[in-house]
Amino acid sequence: QSALTQPASVSGSPGQSITISCTGTRSDVGGYNYVSWFQQHPGKAPKLMIYDVTTRPSGVSNRFSGSKSGNTASLTISGLQAEDEADYYCSSFRISSSLNWVFGGGTKLTVL
Amino acid sequence: EEQLVQSGAEVKKPGESLKISCKGSEFMFTSYWIGWVRQMPGKGLEWMGIIHPGDSDTKYSPSFQGQVTISADKSTSTVYLQWSSLKASDTAMYYCARRGSSWLVWGQGTLVTVSS
Repeated sequence: QSALTQPASVSGSPGQSITISCTGTRSDVGGYNYVSWFQQHPGKAPKLMIYDVTTRPSGVSNRFSGSKSGNTASLTISGLQAEDEADYYCSSFRISSSLNWVFGGGTKLTVL
Repeated sequence: EEQLVQSGAEVKKPGESLKISCKGSEFMFTSYWIGWVRQMPGKGLEWMGIIHPGDSDTKYSPSFQGQVTISADKSTSTVYLQWSSLKASDTAMYYCARRGSSWLVWGQGTLVTVSS
């Protein structure tokens, strides 16, 4: 199964906004509203930040938002903070005869 | 608090077998899909497979089909990931995660090191 496509790295200064893209196909991102975003700090388990494209779990800062257009989903982080520096992964439901879930390759966010 | 607690780190030799576990608590274990995720050193996340403990329906990623076995024990609210013959390339962190309306609940991870 090919992974969803994310940029390898993005960066921004404190207070700025950044956007991470996640590109798939009509069989996954474009066809279903089951895109999630996970944040992972070094040595820690992934943490769910966004699910169903736009929904924030309880306790996640409203600085994190999700959207989708066609086959590309996006995670936007506004008001960047040092603690946002982490790896970010998208994941989507994918129509398949086997496993129905796929990750993106991950994006390293650096807060300058 | 709903949680998944994984078994501890393992150090094994190539060719050995291994079974790691993921135990759920404070939720109806048989009502959710539980997935396993691999993260090789310095690499990204990969879905390996998922199981529904209620009926043991299991789906594998083609990359892992035949390489691992996922199973569940409803009586102990535990899901397992096992290898019959480990390879050095199985060295990784393995996470379990629960699918409700989302993949919200994650285990803390189990580090598996395979080295001669």
